[in-house]
Order: sequence, then structure tokens, then C-alpha cells
Amino acid sequence: DAGVTQSPTHLIKTRGQQVTLRCSPKSGHDTVSWYQQALGQGPQFIFQYYEEEERQRGNFPDRFSGHQFPNYSSELNVNALLLGDSALYLCASSWGPGGNQPQHFGDGTRLSIL
Amino acid sequence: TQLLEQSPQFLSIQEGENLTVYCNSSSVFSSLQWYRQEPGEGPVLLVTVVTGGEVKKLKRLTFQFGDARKDSSLHITAAQTGDTGLYLCAGSYGNNRLAFGKGNQVVVIP
Repeated sequence: DAGVTQSPTHLIKTRGQQVTLRCSPKSGHDTVSWYQQALGQGPQFIFQYYEEEERQRGNFPDRFSGHQFPNYSSELNVNALLLGDSALYLCASSWGPGGNQPQHFGDGTRLSIL
Repeated sequence: TQLLEQSPQFLSIQEGENLTVYCNSSSVFSSLQWYRQEPGEGPVLLVTVVTGGEVKKLKRLTFQFGDARKDSSLHITAAQTGDTGLYLCAGSYGNNRLAFGKGNQVVVIP
């Protein structure tokens, strides 16, 4: 039973560039949420996708966008990268967008901006 | 802004000792989840508590949800070196959007 998988594991970009991160949810899950974890901080909610639509969004600018595919996998796109975007980006999957369903996390993508 | 305050931020203890860490908020949550995160890895779910006053045990770990569903505690009995890690609490308003604290960094010394 495959858990949540994310790619790539590490990425180095420069300011102003664009990046795409990918996530495959745990088998049987249909909802994907993205979180940003800066060094020494807890994860911060970016947005959630269900049925290929963005259902909820945290306090992140429009430079952060996403997509969900029919197979439930998801992408996170960040445009015009800033130094402050350096962080661990985590994907979490669950069954259904509501209730108290447990969320399972991948190991994240470590993004470094130079 | 962190909705959840976790204390202490850092705790170092000897193997075999007991410890308790806390997660507090002014908000009421429909559920609260505890995770453990190790360096270079994603958070791993330990437990979900839903009912006010609920107590759940996972081997040597005891989790309690406050009566008002605003706070929680994690107690570890006879800590082992494998318990070392960052313990994160996360509250949910019932929409599966988690609000995390900064975590309790626990180090167990052999």
C-alpha cells in the first residue's frame, strides 16, 4: 500500500524562477492538501484540492497555484520565486474534504531559493 | 500567526524518564491530531482525538483532549531514544484544514 509520494525530493532555484512540485496521494484517498513548512516552524496550510477544484485556501499570494488531475494526483506551482519561499513543501492526502479524516503526509520537497 | 501554542518548545530528558508536552489554543476545534516528525521526513500521524475529555493511549504515549476541545497534552512514560523527534499538534475545524503549532522538540539521551 503506497503512501503519499512527492517529487522531486530537493530542488534549487533562483529568485524570479518558477517551480512545479508533484504529489501522488495514498491509495484510496481523493483529497490533497499542500503545506509550507519554514525552518523551525509548523506547517502552514496553502490550499486543498478535491474533485479537481481548489476547495480551500490559506493566506498565500496568487503566485501559489495548483492543480488536481483525474487520478487524484496534484501539482503545486509557484511563480516569481522569492528568497522567503525557501521551505519544505508537504503534501497530505485524505479521504474526502471534510470531517475529521486523518491526513497522511509525504516526506516533502525541500525547495531552496538562491 | 500560530493558532496553537506548544510548550515547551525544547525538552531534553534521560532515557527512562517521563515527560509531558502541551498544546494550547483559544480556539475550539472539532478534532486535534498529533504527529511526530523526524529530520528530512514528513509528519507521521500518531493519533486523532475528537471528543472533549477523550484520552487515547498508544503504547507508552498517552494523549488527552481538553474538556473544552481547546487544548491537548501528550505524556510519554519511560522515554526511549526512539521517542526523539518533533511532536506537532494540529487542530481541525472539521474541514480537514489543519492549523499546526510550532512543535515540541524532544531529545531523549541514552
